[in-house]
Amino acid sequence: DAGVIQSPRHEVTEMGQEVTLRCKPISGHNSLFWYRQTMMRGLELLIYFNNNVPIDDSGMPEDRFSAKMPNASFSTLKIQPSEPRDSAVYFCASSFAKHYEQYFGPGTRLTVT
Amino acid sequence: AQKVTQAQTEISVVEKEDVTLDCVYETRDTTYYLFWYKQPPSGELVFLIRRNSFDEQNEISGRYSWNFQKSTSSFNFTITASQVVDSAVYFCALSEVYGGATNKLIFGTGTLLAVQP
Repeated sequence: DAGVIQSPRHEVTEMGQEVTLRCKPISGHNSLFWYRQTMMRGLELLIYFNNNVPIDDSGMPEDRFSAKMPNASFSTLKIQPSEPRDSAVYFCASSFAKHYEQYFGPGTRLTVT
Repeated sequence: AQKVTQAQTEISVVEKEDVTLDCVYETRDTTYYLFWYKQPPSGELVFLIRRNSFDEQNEISGRYSWNFQKSTSSFNFTITASQVVDSAVYFCALSEVYGGATNKLIFGTGTLLAVQP
C-alpha cells in the first residue's frame, strides 16, 4: 500500500514567492496533519483536518500560511509570500481515526533565499 | 498543560550495548495515548508503537521494548543489543482525549541516538 505522498520533495524559492506544498494521505484515513520541523523549534503542528474539515489551525504561524483539503485524497499548504524564516521541512501525516497512530510522508524540504 | 520531556538530548553507545531512552509526560487527562517515532538520518518519521493509558503492560517487539509506568508518568524505550542501523532521533509523543474531538500529538524534543560500530 502506498504511504503518505508529498510533493515536491525539495523546493528552493526566493523570498516573496508563493509556495504550494501538496499531500496525498493514505486511502481510508480521515485525519490529516501538517507539521513543520526546524532545529530551533522541533516538530510543530500547523493544522489538522478531520473528514476534510479544518479542526485546529492554531499552529499556523501567520496569515501568510493557508491550508486546504478539497477532498479526502488531497491537501495543500500554501505560503504567500514566503520568507527566509519559513525554511524548514514540512511533513504531512494521516491517521485512520482519532488517537490512532499518524503515518508521515517523506517531507518537503523548503529553502527560501 | 500537556507536555512531553525527553531529557536526554544525545546518547552514544557502542554496538551491542543496551540503551534506554527516557520519556516523561504531563497531562490533565485520565485517558490518553503515548507514541514513539523514529527519525533516521534519511529524515522520514517512522511510527514504532502506540499505547493507551489503560494498558500498563510492557511490550516487547524484537530488540525493542517499552516500559509504561503511570505512577511516574514515564514511557521509556529500550533497545537491546543496539545496532548501527538504530542510529536515529527518537521522539516520544502524547495524544490527549480532550473534548472528544482533538487528535493532536504533542512531541518531545527527541533523543539523538548514535550507535558506534
